[in-house]
Amino acid sequence: QVQLQESGPGLVKPSETLSLTCTVSGGSFTNYYWTWIRQTPGKGLEWIGFIYYNGFTRYNPSLNSRVTMSVDRTKNQFSLKLSSVTAADTAVYYCARQTSTLVPPDHWGQGTLVTVSS
Amino acid sequence: DVQMTQSPSTLSASVGDRVTITCRASQSVTSSLAWYQQKPGKAPKLLIHDASSLESGVPSRFSGSGSETEFTLTISSLQPEDFATYYCQQYDDYSPYTFGQGTKLEIK
Repeated sequence: QVQLQESGPGLVKPSETLSLTCTVSGGSFTNYYWTWIRQTPGKGLEWIGFIYYNGFTRYNPSLNSRVTMSVDRTKNQFSLKLSSVTAADTAVYYCARQTSTLVPPDHWGQGTLVTVSS
Repeated sequence: DVQMTQSPSTLSASVGDRVTITCRASQSVTSSLAWYQQKPGKAPKLLIHDASSLESGVPSRFSGSGSETEFTLTISSLQPEDFATYYCQQYDDYSPYTFGQGTKLEIK
């Protein structure tokens, strides 16, 4: 059974860059779309974007200028960088897997809380 | 963006009740609609995709219907473990994918 696990700092200072990594285990890394989603009490669930195993990306237009995703196929990992963060970026960040762009994410990590504060 | 609106925001019900949650899209999403269940401190769990296809292992008391702009999630006979928050998500258009605001199903 595939498992996803987010990792990264739980506290980021305003204006800095949030960096998270998701490690995939128990399943194939190739031929999947790897997704980041965040959840806040105020805005609910928000899709950040996805990256295909070969590096093809699509980002939420509302975050596009600040988001970068990458993959490391040698480690079965994918990563999220969100630049110039503010308090509004405080959220639980989830990584997830999609079989294609035509289906929803079917496996999710447990989520990691990232707080933006000085 | 495609706006997804769920109703009601909160639903109080008893074990054994039949409940229905509605999700409306601001434009057609064909049948590209998913339902998730989320319990406190946990990630959302995919219940239904393509509006009405039950994920493997999901009890048959859950069902989904609808197309285009109006969708429903029905739980035929509520069980204690079903009290949670439910979300719909459209994946017809990934510019961007969007979620409903959630429906909290509470014990009456």
